[in-house]
Amino acid sequence: DAKTTQPPSMDCAEGRAANLPCNHSTISGNEYVYWYRQIHSQGPQYIIHGLKNNETNEMASLIITEDRKSSTLILPHATLRDTAVYYCIVRVDDSGYALNFGKGTSLLVTP
Amino acid sequence: ETGVTQTPRHLVMGMTNKKSLKCEQHLGHNAMYWYKQSAKKPLELMFVYSLEERVENNSVPSRFSPECPNSSHLFLHLHTLQPEDSALYLCASSPRLAGDYNEQFFGPGTRLTVL
Repeated sequence: DAKTTQPPSMDCAEGRAANLPCNHSTISGNEYVYWYRQIHSQGPQYIIHGLKNNETNEMASLIITEDRKSSTLILPHATLRDTAVYYCIVRVDDSGYALNFGKGTSLLVTP
Repeated sequence: ETGVTQTPRHLVMGMTNKKSLKCEQHLGHNAMYWYKQSAKKPLELMFVYSLEERVENNSVPSRFSPECPNSSHLFLHLHTLQPEDSALYLCASSPRLAGDYNEQFFGPGTRLTVL
Protein backbone atom coordinates (compact mmCIF):
# COMPACT_ATOMS: atom_id res chain seq x y z
CA ASP A 1 0.00 0.00 0.00
CA ALA A 2 1.21 3.49 -0.81
CA LYS A 3 2.45 5.73 1.96
CA THR A 4 0.40 8.74 3.06
CA THR A 5 1.44 12.03 4.65
CA GLN A 6 -0.90 14.10 6.80
CA PRO A 7 -0.34 17.16 8.99
CA PRO A 8 -0.16 16.12 12.64
CA SER A 9 -2.79 18.57 13.83
CA MET A 10 -5.34 21.15 12.68
CA ASP A 11 -7.85 23.49 14.26
CA CYS A 12 -11.25 24.46 12.93
CA ALA A 13 -13.95 26.76 14.26
CA GLU A 14 -17.33 25.20 14.90
CA GLY A 15 -19.69 25.66 11.96
CA ARG A 16 -16.88 26.21 9.48
CA ALA A 17 -15.66 23.72 6.91
CA ALA A 18 -12.76 21.51 7.95
CA ASN A 19 -10.43 20.63 5.07
CA LEU A 20 -8.04 17.81 5.90
CA PRO A 21 -5.28 17.19 3.35
CA CYS A 22 -3.49 13.96 2.54
CA ASN A 23 -0.54 13.39 0.23
CA HIS A 24 -0.14 10.01 -1.45
CA SER A 25 2.29 10.72 -4.26
CA THR A 26 3.21 7.06 -4.80
CA ILE A 27 -0.37 5.88 -5.23
CA SER A 28 -0.90 3.34 -7.98
CA GLY A 29 -3.80 3.11 -10.37
CA ASN A 30 -5.78 0.48 -8.51
CA GLU A 31 -5.37 1.89 -5.00
CA TYR A 32 -8.33 3.45 -3.24
CA VAL A 33 -8.21 6.34 -0.77
CA TYR A 34 -10.03 5.63 2.49
CA TRP A 35 -10.71 7.96 5.39
CA TYR A 36 -11.42 6.85 8.94
CA ARG A 37 -11.59 8.81 12.15
CA GLN A 38 -11.13 7.92 15.79
CA ILE A 39 -12.77 9.87 18.53
CA HIS A 40 -10.90 9.70 21.82
CA SER A 41 -11.12 6.28 23.50
CA GLN A 42 -13.41 4.86 20.82
CA GLY A 43 -12.85 2.54 17.89
CA PRO A 44 -12.11 3.98 14.44
CA GLN A 45 -15.09 4.90 12.29
CA TYR A 46 -15.26 4.68 8.51
CA ILE A 47 -16.01 7.98 6.79
CA ILE A 48 -15.66 7.68 3.04
CA HIS A 49 -13.54 6.22 0.26
CA GLY A 50 -12.89 6.84 -3.43
CA LEU A 51 -10.77 5.84 -6.41
CA LYS A 52 -10.73 8.68 -8.95
CA ASN A 53 -13.94 10.65 -8.72
CA ASN A 54 -14.94 12.97 -5.94
CA GLU A 55 -17.29 11.35 -3.47
CA THR A 56 -19.87 12.69 -1.04
CA ASN A 57 -21.94 11.08 1.67
CA GLU A 58 -23.83 12.22 4.74
CA MET A 59 -20.64 12.66 6.72
CA ALA A 60 -18.14 14.26 4.37
CA SER A 61 -16.86 14.92 0.87
CA LEU A 62 -13.69 13.50 -0.62
CA ILE A 63 -11.86 15.48 -3.28
CA ILE A 64 -9.14 13.59 -5.17
CA THR A 65 -6.81 15.53 -7.45
CA GLU A 66 -6.70 14.60 -11.12
CA ASP A 67 -3.25 13.04 -10.79
CA ARG A 68 -4.46 11.24 -7.64
CA LYS A 69 -1.36 12.23 -5.72
CA SER A 70 -3.31 14.01 -3.03
CA SER A 71 -6.79 14.25 -1.60
CA THR A 72 -8.80 16.39 0.79
CA LEU A 73 -11.48 15.32 3.22
CA ILE A 74 -14.05 18.04 3.75
CA LEU A 75 -16.37 18.22 6.75
CA PRO A 76 -18.71 20.96 5.53
CA HIS A 77 -19.96 22.25 8.87
CA ALA A 78 -17.70 21.01 11.64
CA THR A 79 -19.18 20.42 15.09
CA LEU A 80 -17.50 19.84 18.43
CA ARG A 81 -18.24 16.12 18.02
CA ASP A 82 -16.01 16.05 14.95
CA THR A 83 -12.95 16.50 17.18
CA ALA A 84 -10.99 13.33 16.46
CA VAL A 85 -7.92 11.87 14.79
CA TYR A 86 -8.50 11.50 11.05
CA TYR A 87 -6.66 8.80 9.12
CA CYS A 88 -6.05 8.74 5.38
CA ILE A 89 -5.34 5.22 4.12
CA VAL A 90 -4.40 4.13 0.62
CA ARG A 91 -4.87 0.51 -0.32
CA VAL A 92 -5.76 -1.92 -3.02
CA ASP A 93 -9.12 -3.50 -2.38
CA ASP A 94 -7.85 -7.03 -2.81
CA SER A 95 -4.63 -6.52 -0.90
CA GLY A 96 -6.05 -8.34 2.04
CA TYR A 97 -6.42 -7.53 5.49
CA ALA A 98 -4.90 -4.68 7.37
CA LEU A 99 -5.89 -1.08 7.32
CA ASN A 100 -2.51 0.59 7.70
CA PHE A 101 -3.35 3.44 10.00
CA GLY A 102 -0.54 5.97 10.26
CA LYS A 103 -0.45 8.79 12.78
CA GLY A 104 -3.30 10.74 11.19
CA THR A 105 -4.33 14.34 11.73
CA SER A 106 -5.66 15.40 15.12
CA LEU A 107 -8.52 17.79 14.37
CA LEU A 108 -9.69 20.10 17.15
CA VAL A 109 -13.00 21.85 16.57
CA THR A 110 -13.32 24.88 18.80
CA PRO A 111 -16.44 26.79 19.87
CA GLU B 1 -23.46 1.84 17.52
CA THR B 2 -21.46 0.08 14.84
CA GLY B 3 -22.92 -3.39 15.31
CA VAL B 4 -19.68 -4.62 16.88
CA THR B 5 -19.61 -5.04 20.65
CA GLN B 6 -16.67 -5.76 22.90
CA THR B 7 -16.54 -6.90 26.51
CA PRO B 8 -15.22 -5.99 28.93
CA ARG B 9 -14.68 -2.30 28.15
CA HIS B 10 -11.98 -2.05 30.82
CA LEU B 11 -9.76 -4.77 32.27
CA VAL B 12 -6.99 -4.67 34.85
CA MET B 13 -5.00 -7.84 35.29
CA GLY B 14 -1.83 -9.06 36.90
CA MET B 15 0.98 -10.66 34.95
CA THR B 16 0.06 -14.14 36.15
CA ASN B 17 -3.66 -13.89 35.39
CA LYS B 18 -5.56 -15.48 32.53
CA LYS B 19 -8.36 -13.48 31.00
CA SER B 20 -10.30 -13.31 27.74
CA LEU B 21 -11.58 -10.48 25.60
CA LYS B 22 -14.80 -11.02 23.70
CA CYS B 23 -16.03 -9.50 20.46
CA GLU B 24 -19.40 -10.00 18.83
CA GLN B 25 -20.66 -8.65 15.54
CA HIS B 26 -24.33 -8.45 14.58
CA LEU B 27 -23.73 -7.52 10.97
CA GLY B 28 -23.53 -10.88 9.25
CA HIS B 29 -19.91 -10.25 8.29
CA ASN B 30 -17.50 -13.01 7.35
CA ALA B 31 -14.19 -11.45 8.41
CA MET B 32 -13.07 -10.38 11.88
CA TYR B 33 -9.90 -8.70 13.13
CA TRP B 34 -8.00 -7.96 16.32
CA TYR B 35 -5.96 -4.73 16.48
CA LYS B 36 -3.77 -3.34 19.25
CA GLN B 37 -3.43 0.39 19.85
CA SER B 38 -0.69 1.42 22.25
CA ALA B 39 -0.32 4.96 23.50
CA LYS B 40 0.92 7.31 20.78
CA LYS B 41 1.42 4.46 18.28
CA PRO B 42 -0.52 3.56 15.13
CA LEU B 43 -2.94 0.68 15.18
CA GLU B 44 -1.26 -2.68 14.78
CA LEU B 45 -3.08 -5.59 13.18
CA MET B 46 -2.76 -8.73 15.30
CA PHE B 47 -5.01 -11.42 13.86
CA VAL B 48 -7.42 -11.88 10.98
CA TYR B 49 -10.15 -14.49 10.61
CA SER B 50 -12.18 -15.24 7.52
CA LEU B 51 -15.10 -17.66 7.86
CA GLU B 52 -13.69 -18.79 11.20
CA GLU B 53 -10.26 -19.61 9.77
CA ARG B 54 -7.22 -17.65 10.82
CA VAL B 55 -5.62 -16.08 7.76
CA GLU B 56 -3.04 -13.82 9.31
CA ASN B 57 -0.96 -13.74 12.44
CA ASN B 58 1.36 -10.76 12.51
CA SER B 59 4.18 -12.12 14.67
CA VAL B 60 2.13 -11.77 17.79
CA PRO B 61 3.60 -13.32 20.97
CA SER B 62 2.06 -16.62 22.00
CA ARG B 63 0.74 -15.09 25.23
CA PHE B 64 -2.06 -13.78 22.97
CA SER B 65 -4.26 -16.60 21.68
CA PRO B 66 -7.23 -15.88 19.38
CA GLU B 67 -10.30 -18.03 18.95
CA CYS B 68 -13.12 -17.71 16.44
CA PRO B 69 -15.83 -20.29 17.20
CA ASN B 70 -18.21 -18.89 14.59
CA SER B 71 -18.40 -15.96 12.23
CA SER B 72 -20.13 -13.74 14.81
CA HIS B 73 -17.76 -14.21 17.74
CA LEU B 74 -14.08 -13.60 18.26
CA PHE B 75 -12.07 -14.04 21.44
CA LEU B 76 -8.60 -13.02 22.50
CA HIS B 77 -7.26 -15.17 25.33
CA LEU B 78 -4.59 -13.55 27.44
CA HIS B 79 -2.07 -15.21 29.76
CA THR B 80 1.14 -14.15 31.46
CA LEU B 81 1.03 -10.72 29.91
CA GLN B 82 3.64 -8.02 30.40
CA PRO B 83 3.07 -4.40 31.44
CA GLU B 84 3.98 -3.30 27.89
CA ASP B 85 0.92 -5.18 26.66
CA SER B 86 -1.25 -2.51 28.24
CA ALA B 87 -3.18 -0.96 25.36
CA LEU B 88 -6.55 -0.50 23.72
CA TYR B 89 -7.55 -3.75 21.98
CA LEU B 90 -9.92 -3.22 19.11
CA CYS B 91 -12.06 -5.74 17.28
CA ALA B 92 -13.35 -5.09 13.76
CA SER B 93 -15.39 -6.91 11.16
CA SER B 94 -15.95 -6.55 7.43
CA PRO B 95 -18.41 -8.13 5.00
CA ARG B 96 -15.65 -10.21 3.49
CA LEU B 97 -11.88 -10.34 3.58
CA ALA B 98 -11.26 -8.58 0.31
CA GLY B 99 -13.32 -7.19 -2.50
CA ASP B 100 -14.77 -4.07 -3.94
CA TYR B 101 -15.80 -2.61 -0.65
CA ASN B 102 -13.68 -3.36 2.35
CA GLU B 103 -15.02 -1.07 5.04
CA GLN B 104 -14.18 -2.33 8.50
CA PHE B 105 -16.55 -1.72 11.38
CA PHE B 106 -14.82 -1.31 14.72
CA GLY B 107 -16.00 -2.05 18.22
CA PRO B 108 -15.42 0.40 21.08
CA GLY B 109 -12.35 -1.47 22.30
CA THR B 110 -11.18 -2.98 25.58
CA ARG B 111 -8.79 -0.81 27.60
CA LEU B 112 -6.35 -3.32 29.12
CA THR B 113 -3.98 -2.50 31.94
CA VAL B 114 -1.39 -5.08 33.00
CA LEU B 115 0.08 -4.53 36.43
